[in-house]
Amino acid sequence: GAGVSQSPSNKVTEKGKDVELRCDPISGHTALYWYRQSLGQGLEFLIYFQGNSAPDKSGLPSDRFSAERTGGSVSTLTIQRTQQEDSAVYLCASSVTRSDTQYFGPGTRLTVL
Amino acid sequence: EDKVVQSPLSLVVHEGDTVTLNCSYEVTNFRSLLWYKQEKKAPTFLFMLTSSGIEKKSGRLSSILDKKELSSILNITATQTGDSAIYLCAVATSGSRLTFGEGTQLTVNP
Repeated sequence: GAGVSQSPSNKVTEKGKDVELRCDPISGHTALYWYRQSLGQGLEFLIYFQGNSAPDKSGLPSDRFSAERTGGSVSTLTIQRTQQEDSAVYLCASSVTRSDTQYFGPGTRLTVL
Repeated sequence: EDKVVQSPLSLVVHEGDTVTLNCSYEVTNFRSLLWYKQEKKAPTFLFMLTSSGIEKKSGRLSSILDKKELSSILNITATQTGDSAIYLCAVATSGSRLTFGEGTQLTVNP
């Protein structure tokens, strides 16, 4: 079946602009995660959605970052007033309920000039 | 704060060699340890190890969890150039998020 998909695959923006990154999880997966991977770094947790529960936003680095998940499926990560330090690969993952195994999408490479 | 440390950070070997990658962790409420292979952007799942499944094997790859030492190893035997990738270790805790190590960059030369 189809895996996790993300769009766009690459995004170049100017400092100060807002960007939206999209994630389409595996059908039937109730949990959805966003991670960030900066150059040469491991993955950094950003936010976690589980069903209709309130999301765990504890990994968001600043109030410029927000995310929503509509209809329990597609998720959008929004970064407002982008800064150069936001440049990274943003990875989305999904899993079935009560499983630790997360399946990752191909990511969005964000470059802030 | 939960912490996962991988070593070495990079490794260069020749085809046919056997490699051992290390992962140690300090976390609260450990649930499982996972290994991923990252070739381009998307990490792909390799193994999950828990208290009830401390050893896994798939082809030339195998992994063991040592809960006493709070560590895990990933072994790759008879390495091939296609094994070149970043290998990520992650730990799942009660909060469901994964805490990742920095990864080991493996390069297999022909």
